Amino acid sequence: EVQLLESGGGSVQPGGSLRLSCAASGFTFSNYAMSWVRQAPGKGLEWVSTISINGVNTYYADSVKGRFTISRDNSKNTLYLQINSLRAEDTALYYCAKGYYGYDGWGQGALVTVSS
Amino acid sequence: DVVMTQSPLSLPVTLGQPASISCRSSQSLVHSDGNTYLNWFQQRPGQSPRRLIYKVSNRDSGVPDRFSGSGSTTDFTLKISRVEAEDVGVYYCMQGTHWPRTFGQGTKVEIK
Repeated sequence: EVQLLESGGGSVQPGGSLRLSCAASGFTFSNYAMSWVRQAPGKGLEWVSTISINGVNTYYADSVKGRFTISRDNSKNTLYLQINSLRAEDTALYYCAKGYYGYDGWGQGALVTVSS
Repeated sequence: DVVMTQSPLSLPVTLGQPASISCRSSQSLVHSDGNTYLNWFQQRPGQSPRRLIYKVSNRDSGVPDRFSGSGSTTDFTLKISRVEAEDVGVYYCMQGTHWPRTFGQGTKVEIK
């Protein structure tokens, strides 16, 4: 069974930084692209970023490009999202998701709140 | 960016009756590899999303067969043959063909 466990969320001031982690189990992590999807409070789903199997190729939504960095450590079965220069509009539940063209596994989410 | 437009945005249904959600894309979702990467997700209240359908019409493992997906190119549909109480939630379509990936606005399914 696919299990994805996010951590690292929290409350930060505008301009601050956080690093989200996603520990994966139940599948061969190194065989799958991974993604981050976020959901602002009471809103819909927004794709944030995707990373290829070996980490060479990364993709970002325009709204986060230059501020967010996705990475992975296949030896630790862990996905990361470094989020810098946080803005109020980045407040959301950040989901780790398994997949490239679609997502067949989701974590429970890590809440990021940006407020002064 | 590819805009995904769902309708209706709210869908009150009677238990045991069918339900249908439309999803239209602003561009063709046929990938250069020949596949059409159109997904459907269900998000029950207070839960993480769960994929129901991938590549237009393929059900994910464990998804009841009352859920079905159909369509092509820019016009897609999710159907629930007989709505059950556990189907309450928000349903999203999502395209995985183009960058950036984009979701529809969501359709809230509730019981009348």
